[in-house]
Amino acid sequence: NAGVMQNPRHLVRRRGQEARLRCSPMKGHSHVYWYRQLPEEGLKFMVYLQKENIIDESGMPKERFSAEFPKEGPSILRIQQVVRGDSAAYFCASSPPEYNEQFFGPGTRLTVL
Amino acid sequence: QKEVEQNSGPLSVPEGAIASLNCTYSDRGSQSFFWYRQYSGKSPELIMSIYSNGDKEDGRFTAQLNKASQYVSLLIRDSQPSDSATYLCAVNPPLSGYSTLTFGKGTMLLVSP
Repeated sequence: NAGVMQNPRHLVRRRGQEARLRCSPMKGHSHVYWYRQLPEEGLKFMVYLQKENIIDESGMPKERFSAEFPKEGPSILRIQQVVRGDSAAYFCASSPPEYNEQFFGPGTRLTVL
Repeated sequence: QKEVEQNSGPLSVPEGAIASLNCTYSDRGSQSFFWYRQYSGKSPELIMSIYSNGDKEDGRFTAQLNKASQYVSLLIRDSQPSDSATYLCAVNPPLSGYSTLTFGKGTMLLVSP
């Protein structure tokens, strides 16, 4: 049973470019969460999605960031016009609908030059 | 402001000793509590979940929860050098129809041979 999958594992972008991060949840999991981890800081919740619905985006910056979890395909976290402060590790987690233990993917390390 | 507090450490213990990791949380209505282990450069790995007051044991790990004191701890018996990692405490806010986690910044554990 494959775990949570994320790609790419490493992403380098120049300031002003767009970053797209993908997450495929574990089989049987319909809930997806995105977190950001800055160096020397803790994990910060960004957004919680179920299929075709954003349930809670209270942790996501209002500008430049968006997320989706379409009916088919992976969840996407999109960052437009990246700035150096967006450099971080972005983790996706998933959980099944019946309980809230979250399992993390390997993460995407975003570096903005 | 929902907060989860952990001593940043490092907590240094010799091999074979018991490591005790502590966490306090501010939201009295929190219902679910989790411990994650994160090796440097890797993603968080769920090691324990606890939902009711008391102790929960799983192998060398014991989670302890005291909701009245808003305190949760993790004991690691017979600590091994491979246990050296950062341990993250995570708390699920009161039931509100969705499941997000608030993480502490983690405690670094160093187990010396």
